[in-house]
Amino acid sequence: GAVVSQHPSRVICKSGTSVKIECRSLDFQATTMFWYRQFPKQSLMLMATSNEGSKATYEQGVEKDKFLINHASLTLSTLTVTSAHPEDSSFYICSARVTGHNSPLHFGNGTRLTVT
Amino acid sequence: AQKITQTQPGMFVQEKEAVTLDCTYDTSDQSYGLFWYKQPSSGEMIFLIYQGSYDEQNATEGRYSLNFQKARKSANLVISASQLGDSAMYFCAMRGPNTGNQFYFGTGTSLTVIP
Repeated sequence: GAVVSQHPSRVICKSGTSVKIECRSLDFQATTMFWYRQFPKQSLMLMATSNEGSKATYEQGVEKDKFLINHASLTLSTLTVTSAHPEDSSFYICSARVTGHNSPLHFGNGTRLTVT
Repeated sequence: AQKITQTQPGMFVQEKEAVTLDCTYDTSDQSYGLFWYKQPSSGEMIFLIYQGSYDEQNATEGRYSLNFQKARKSANLVISASQLGDSAMYFCAMRGPNTGNQFYFGTGTSLTVIP
């Protein structure tokens, strides 16, 4: 149980275009989902917390207008990288957890974005 | 502030041997959770093991065990009988009341299992 699906796994786009990444909780409802960014050989950096039915909470330094997050249902959160630039190239990974004190984060398989 | 420290950027272990990956943390919370994740080169994050701050027994999950020393604020991961498939990045993470729903991750340790 507690499967998180992320799509697409890889995307290559041209500079200036927008890319949408989907994150779905397949067998549980997630009122909160988390979006992380990971640079090569580095740890996960929390970008934002996605809240179902309300605005996302962004971490300091993360541009809200560049990284649009929508959490329209209890099983789906989307991250849209708007007007992508080469410096946005990275590995983006979403996660969610089943409610409970000791419940771990369950991650999607990540999306490798390359902006040319 | 919460802080997770993993001081070993890279580790090597002979196949079938045991290896310990270090993790120390800093928190003012009394109740918190510690988690270990494995990230193979393919990128997915795989949950391995959990330890609660009030758990008196060290957590175990198959070949994984957690050496929890609360007074030292350490939560080291022990992998027994290493296999080639254990080669990956390993991340320690912590969650507590003052972090809300957030998990704080360490910088990771790259483990290489040598045949």
